[in-house]
Amino acid sequence: EPEVTQTPSHQVTQMGQEVILRCVPISNHLYFYWYRQILGQKVEFLVSFYNNEISEKSEIFDDQFSVERPDGSNFTLKIRSTKLEDSAMYFCASDNLVAGDPTEAFFGQGTRLTVV
Amino acid sequence: DQQVKQNSPSLSVQEGRISILNCDYTNSMFDYFLWYKKYPAEGPTFLISISSIKDKNEDGRFTVFLNKSAKHLSLHIVPSQPGDSAVYFCAASALTSGTYKYIFGTGTRLKVLA
Repeated sequence: EPEVTQTPSHQVTQMGQEVILRCVPISNHLYFYWYRQILGQKVEFLVSFYNNEISEKSEIFDDQFSVERPDGSNFTLKIRSTKLEDSAMYFCASDNLVAGDPTEAFFGQGTRLTVV
Repeated sequence: DQQVKQNSPSLSVQEGRISILNCDYTNSMFDYFLWYKKYPAEGPTFLISISSIKDKNEDGRFTVFLNKSAKHLSLHIVPSQPGDSAVYFCAASALTSGTYKYIFGTGTRLKVLA
């Protein structure tokens, strides 16, 4: 069964450092998302991406965050200068809307980001 | 801004019995609803969904009911099995900016007792 893969599974970084979280969405999907879950809290939407541009972003997705699809397969989330409160599980997801009809999004296993 | 609420943080059910997980939402623009199951240190796994034009969708042991007037949906698992023990998230979405972003509830931890 096709799946969304994320690397690394765990990233530890020092406050103020840049991190890049990587995702390989399902190959025929066209819509990509990043969500995050702070420990003990709910899963929160960060950003959606389609046709090489951001479709929508949440208040969390400030200027420190950026997304990119550098080639035909990878989808990355960059945090320019990490803060302690960025520590969370980050989930990548993808789906394939057909004529605007919703389908379920498939989520990756997540990257646990720990900022120290 | 809790647009999607799961008021029961946990639920324990005996194996073989019915598990009923509830979810309430406030935004009448939501038109697609999903249930995801999540194990620790894993990503959410899709279980079942329902469009706002329906009031029921069934898939094996899982049935989702939607009551639009009450802005309420529920997930029924019959019969419950120990392997169903996980955190269950409901999610709601509406088409905005050409994509369906999900608003998740806080989750209900289901424990099925053998």
